Amino acid sequence: ETGVTQSPTHLIKTRGQQVTLRCSSQSGHNTVSWYQQALGQGPQFIFQYYREEENGRGNFPPRFSGLQFPNYSSELNVNALELDDSALYLCASSRDGGQGTGEQFFGPGTRLTVL
Amino acid sequence: TQLLEQSPQFLSIQEGENLTVYCNSSSVFSSLQWYRQEPGEGPVLLVTVVTGGEVKKLKRLTFQFGDARKDSSLHITAAQPGDTGLYLCAHTSSNTGKLIFGQGTTLQVKP
Repeated sequence: ETGVTQSPTHLIKTRGQQVTLRCSSQSGHNTVSWYQQALGQGPQFIFQYYREEENGRGNFPPRFSGLQFPNYSSELNVNALELDDSALYLCASSRDGGQGTGEQFFGPGTRLTVL
Repeated sequence: TQLLEQSPQFLSIQEGENLTVYCNSSSVFSSLQWYRQEPGEGPVLLVTVVTGGEVKKLKRLTFQFGDARKDSSLHITAAQPGDTGLYLCAHTSSNTGKLIFGQGTTLQVKP
């Protein structure tokens, strides 16, 4: 069984640019959640996708957007990058349809640096 | 938002020592989860505590849920360098399924 995978592992961008991060969910999982983790801090919930629709959103501006595809994989897009967007972006998948009843399995993350 | 406060934020100890980290809140939770995150990896679930006063053991790790279900602790006996990592407590928002994490305790165990 393949776990959650994310790409790329590292990324360097400059302020104002746009970035797309990718996540493949674990086999059999239908729900994908994205989290932002600043260095030495706990992850913060960005949003969740189920059935290709946003199913809950944290306190992040609209320049953070996402997609989920029919195979349950997902993308996180960030426009107009700011220095504070530098962080580890984690994707987690679960099989509970966003109900919070199942374990979320995390990928290794994408380290984004904004210069 | 039901906040989780973890303490201490950073802990550096020698191999063989014991330690306890805490996760506190003013809110009551139906359950709390503990994760460990190693550098370059995502968090991995260690345990979920559900019942007030519950104690769960995972080898040298002992997890306790407070009687009032507002707090939890993680005790590590005879710490080893392999225990090094970021320890996170979290709860699941009942209506959205999102995980809400504490800020974490960074543990460094020196050989």
